[in-house]
Amino acid sequence: DAMVIQNPRYQVTQFGKPVTLSCSQTLNHNVMYWYQQKSSQAPKLLFHYYDKDFNNEADTPDNFQSRRPNTSFCFLDIRSPGLGDAAMYLCATSSPDKPNQPQHFGDGTRLSIL
Amino acid sequence: GQQLNQSPQSMFIQEGEDVSMNCTSSSIFNTWLWYKQDPGEGPVLLIALYKAGELTSNGRLTAQFGITRKDSFLNISASIPSDVGIYFCAGPSNAGGTSYGKLTFGQGTILTVHP
Repeated sequence: DAMVIQNPRYQVTQFGKPVTLSCSQTLNHNVMYWYQQKSSQAPKLLFHYYDKDFNNEADTPDNFQSRRPNTSFCFLDIRSPGLGDAAMYLCATSSPDKPNQPQHFGDGTRLSIL
Repeated sequence: GQQLNQSPQSMFIQEGEDVSMNCTSSSIFNTWLWYKQDPGEGPVLLIALYKAGELTSNGRLTAQFGITRKDSFLNISASIPSDVGIYFCAGPSNAGGTSYGKLTFGQGTILTVHP
């Protein structure tokens, strides 16, 4: 009974070819986050949605965009992937009315750039 | 912004040994979280700490919320091969905030267990 589901688990794209990663949740959490994680490093927050409100981190490149069409789904769009964008992308959720439930992560999508 | 200093960066131990890792901050935190990440998977919450001085166990894992609210440690007793992975401490990016908000992560401790 996975609660944060990321698809696909592995994604290969070509340099410069747009790619979309998806995340869905069954927890009904208000907040959804997207992280980039490079090898053996801590996850780096790209942006998050609080309900429909989008919150971008100051150092997130413009190449990264996100959409949240409803509570359950959130997408990460990379408009023109470069070699440096190869990484694990993690989705997480949390809810302000459940303060004893910290961020819950999906299993990630590993993105490779050819 | 908030920074968490996690040590050690990596550990190589024999099966059956105990492990200890810690996290420190220059700011106080109201919440400390410990996550484990297996290779190719997302981080999984191991233990959450909400009160200074709190000592919490989860099986062979024990974590404590430092009394100064600026540190936390995680101990693993009698390690087994499946303990292999990266362990992250984390706390709310707004140090006085709660765990549902943005998180600041430590750099991680890579644990290798030799059978």
